Amino acid sequence: DQQVKQNSPSLSVQEGRISILNCDYTNSMFDYFLWYKKYPAEGPTFLISISSIKDKNEDGRFTVFLNKSAKHLSLHIVPSQPGDSAVYFCAASAEAGGTSYGKLTFGQGTILTVHP
Amino acid sequence: NAGVTQTPKFQVLKTGQSMTLQCAQDMNHNSMYWYRQDPGMGLRLIYYSASEGTTDKGEVPNGYNVSRLNKREFSLRLESAAPSQTSVYFCASVGQWVNQPQHFGDGTRLSIL
Repeated sequence: DQQVKQNSPSLSVQEGRISILNCDYTNSMFDYFLWYKKYPAEGPTFLISISSIKDKNEDGRFTVFLNKSAKHLSLHIVPSQPGDSAVYFCAASAEAGGTSYGKLTFGQGTILTVHP
Repeated sequence: NAGVTQTPKFQVLKTGQSMTLQCAQDMNHNSMYWYRQDPGMGLRLIYYSASEGTTDKGEVPNGYNVSRLNKREFSLRLESAAPSQTSVYFCASVGQWVNQPQHFGDGTRLSIL
């Protein structure tokens, strides 16, 4: 049972345009969500996160939106740059109650390609 | 500041051989994790150590054992490697659980023939 799903295996975008990566989850206990970026032969690198008490979080060109009623989050990259080409993973954690011990559940990943 | 260091980076084993993957972090983090990444499946949690002296199973623990050697080091052992354990293994750590991202090493690519 895949509790976090990224239904688009790949996304291709022109440089300067917006990239929108989507993620759906099924576990209503998830209350902390993260996006990681991964280049080949490297480990995932933290990009941005959002707590369930918010519906939007911005950091420079990156914005994450959370729709709790739809159990959906998205990552917007504006403007997209060729260096953004990587695999993007969304992840979720159930932190309330203190029993998750920080465990993350990951989506399958989306390969983003930004063309010059 | 190295962050999370994993060794080795690559390894090829024969079925039935044993091996220990090493992980060390220099950020004074309390919690450490082992994940495996397989094509189309994202990262899946194998084992974790919430604090020094404790370990517990994650989503896919079968065929693996772990040791939290001290606060810095968390090793993953394959006692009798199987082809299904061919994967990329990532170690991660975090200082506190609440609203803090995990930091990952660069991975160990393991092939079992």
